Amino acid sequence: TQLLEQSPQFLSIQEGENLTVYCNSSSVFSSLQWYRQEPGEGPVLLVTVVTGGEVKKLKRLTFQFGDARKDSSLHITAAQPGDTGLYLCAGERVSNYQLIWGAGTKLIIKP
Amino acid sequence: DAGVTQSPTHLIKTRGQQVTLRCSPISGHKSVSWYQQVLGQGPQFIFQYYEKEERGRGNFPDRFSARQFPNYSSELNVNALLLGDSALYLCASSLGGTGDGYTFGSGTRLTVV
Repeated sequence: TQLLEQSPQFLSIQEGENLTVYCNSSSVFSSLQWYRQEPGEGPVLLVTVVTGGEVKKLKRLTFQFGDARKDSSLHITAAQPGDTGLYLCAGERVSNYQLIWGAGTKLIIKP
Repeated sequence: DAGVTQSPTHLIKTRGQQVTLRCSPISGHKSVSWYQQVLGQGPQFIFQYYEKEERGRGNFPDRFSARQFPNYSSELNVNALLLGDSALYLCASSLGGTGDGYTFGSGTRLTVV
């Protein structure tokens, strides 16, 4: 069974601080996708990375795909209260396009 | 443009009953996937359909079935409902290629009593 371990599960920090969320697996993925989910809603796609070593920036968010395409990180610079939410990583299986999901990181940014 | 639409939004069923959930993908998206999400966990893959053919199936019992119609909409059926089937059922559509991100609907909240 492919697993995608996401850490930390919970993070509460002050506005202006930086943070990093990690997703790790022993399996290779064809892509790694990051989503944000609000309570009672479906996940919303933030970014997809497909090439080993790829780095994508979305304003204050930086996403990186590991060289071996087994792990990924999400770094937020100068966190703001609007960043509060549940962040999920999902790896796309090479064989059948299925997404394998991490358990999520619940992020709280205090003003 | 309309996003992914799911119906109904909420549903209460009794153990042993059957339920059908519906999903309309974004126009132009040929792939539809179904996920089950229990509170506090990431989504679990149930099915993926592409061009009306099943392209993947997760580790769910045969009580779960799905199909995709010529207009790419999809239905998820669950028979002989159990209390443990209570969850948020999410539908997602995509273009269907590697690295194509998914657009999710708001889900159907199913409660089995």
